[in-house]
Amino acid sequence: EVQLQESGPGLVKPSQSLSLTCSVTGYSITSNYWGWIRKFPGNKMEWMGYISYSGSTSYNPSLKSRISITRDTSKNQFFLQLNSVTTEDTATYYCARYGYGGPNWFAYWGQGTLVTVSS
Amino acid sequence: DIQMTQSPASLSASLGETVTIECRASEDIYSNLAWYQQKPGNSPQLLIYDANSLADGVPSRFSGSGSGTQYSLKINSLQSEDVASYFCQQYNNYPNTFGAGTKLELK
Repeated sequence: EVQLQESGPGLVKPSQSLSLTCSVTGYSITSNYWGWIRKFPGNKMEWMGYISYSGSTSYNPSLKSRISITRDTSKNQFFLQLNSVTTEDTATYYCARYGYGGPNWFAYWGQGTLVTVSS
Repeated sequence: DIQMTQSPASLSASLGETVTIECRASEDIYSNLAWYQQKPGNSPQLLIYDANSLADGVPSRFSGSGSGTQYSLKINSLQSEDVASYFCQQYNNYPNTFGAGTKLELK
């Protein structure tokens, strides 16, 4: 069974970088597409970007200058880095695996991790 | 970006009732639409993909329909475990965008 688990600091100071890890079990990240999504207070959801089975990436243009998604295939993990955060980046961050033939729908989600940006 | 307008924002229904949630896209998304259920404290769960395909393990009382810019999620014979928030996602264009969500409660 595919399982994803986000980890990282729950509190980040403004202007610093947010770094999260998604650890995947039950499926290799060298197959399919893997994404990051966030849910803001108030419940708006935002697609942030993905990394593919080959390591190629696609990002939301609204974040393009601040976001980086990378991976470590030896650990079956992929990562999110978001630079120059503000309080507007306070959200629950989810990693997810796309459906077969992706990128399309999100078939499997991590439990999510709340990141608060505050001084 | 494609705007997804979801309605209603909240819904109260009785056990056994049929409920319908709608998403309207700002342009044609060619059935590239998914529906998710999210219970408090849990991660989203895929219900429907490609507008009308039931995801594995999802009860058959859930169904999706629509085309073009108009899509709906129907829940037949509402059960207590269906109390949750529901939201749609379009994946026809980048960036993928989501509806604002519908909170479903029992009457």
